[in-house]
Amino acid sequence: GAVVSQHPSWVICKSGTSVKIECRSLDFQATTMFWYRQFPKQSLMLMATSNEGSKATYEQGVEKDKFLINHASLTLSTLTVTSAHPEDSSFYICSARGRQGMTDTQYFGPGTRLTVL
Amino acid sequence: DAKTTQPPSMDCAEGRAANLPCNHSTISGNEYVYWYRQIHSQGPQYIIHGLKNNETNEMASLIITEDRKSSTLILPHATLRDTAVYYCIVLGTNAGKSTFGDGTTLTVKP
Repeated sequence: GAVVSQHPSWVICKSGTSVKIECRSLDFQATTMFWYRQFPKQSLMLMATSNEGSKATYEQGVEKDKFLINHASLTLSTLTVTSAHPEDSSFYICSARGRQGMTDTQYFGPGTRLTVL
Repeated sequence: DAKTTQPPSMDCAEGRAANLPCNHSTISGNEYVYWYRQIHSQGPQYIIHGLKNNETNEMASLIITEDRKSSTLILPHATLRDTAVYYCIVLGTNAGKSTFGDGTTLTVKP
């Protein structure tokens, strides 16, 4: 299957700093990318959806000025957590959707564990 | 996108078939059923997807009812490594939202 990479896989930062997470689709062009966050023992919660070259669409309750999403190319999207606070500590997962054969398929990255001290 | 409903947990004996059900009664004609699984602290892994015909790959089989309102993921010979949370989601062919329910925690026991 297709591969989606995320970098970094884990990050620890001080409160008030910004953290950027990269998501790349390695062997297909992603028409749409998604960003999720996941708290322990909970399901994935969709944060935003982005199409290449367009502004991201954020889910209700997700602050667009705090979670900056850039989808500059068909293979790269970035999520920047600005002025991070301890409550932003979570597991962030990106996903890329692209055409594989006759249908679109969505693949997920390995996730980034963010810990804000 | 249509909402899905899955049982919260299931057990299966090692070597036996695991049958995981999913209800998606509001699915529309252009929406596919996708299955993923997530092992602790990893990103979800794609398993299989289908529209209306049954599908099979090296990992699993997907059985979709004729009315498309429900489906079953079958792991033919479950192993301990198949212990994971299994998610069934519905995705349209356009760039719609991709939301997850609570999934089914499958525990394969020796």
